[in-house]
Amino acid sequence: NAGVTQTPKFRILKIGQSMTLQCAQDMNHNYMYWYRQDPGMGLKLIYYSVGAGITDKGEVPNGYNVSRSTTEDFPLRLELAAPSQTSVYFCASSADSANYGYTFGSGTRLTVV
Amino acid sequence: AQSVTQPDIHITVSEGASLELRCNYSYGATPYLFWYVQSPGQGLQLLLKYFSGDTLVQGIKGFEAEFKRSQSSFNLRKPSVHWSDAAEYFCAVETGANNLFFGTGTRLTVIP
Repeated sequence: NAGVTQTPKFRILKIGQSMTLQCAQDMNHNYMYWYRQDPGMGLKLIYYSVGAGITDKGEVPNGYNVSRSTTEDFPLRLELAAPSQTSVYFCASSADSANYGYTFGSGTRLTVV
Repeated sequence: AQSVTQPDIHITVSEGASLELRCNYSYGATPYLFWYVQSPGQGLQLLLKYFSGDTLVQGIKGFEAEFKRSQSSFNLRKPSVHWSDAAEYFCAVETGANNLFFGTGTRLTVIP
């Protein structure tokens, strides 16, 4: 009963470096999401996917890219890290849009210095 | 545009006391409404949800929430708070656009 697994849990990047945040779910959910959480700001949607091969932008997509080659995996790519991308990143999945609630991963805390 | 407002940034209650966390939304139609809880260092966990029907919904851990259309509110309640309820609580609204909009959260502190 793994649910949604995110790796790594913590990461420090230098400005301009790139990295991929991994997200995998084992519940055969069609919908997957990436959010970022900043203090006092709640969660903001970065990208989402409604199924393998289909992705779309959320509220704050600039500086990020995603892909969805399989139902299980939904990696988030940061190409040129900037201090503004310092945040906690959460991946989530859902069986049918948001109607049944989301299952969240435990998050990745990213610091860009 | 849709929005969710949680007016209380931080609430402190004594263990055993009752709790009410406020949530107001802005949306043209009846939205789907959710409450999530986040313990320190953890992801969010679904407490309860409202889609339609009975306006009082029951959730896990003894929480309930009431949808009031006239007030555009979906307040979360618990009759007796336990120390383990200390966490951050998020109200969220789903408007059919494939994603949830979250409020900024309310941090709950429980004192013995």
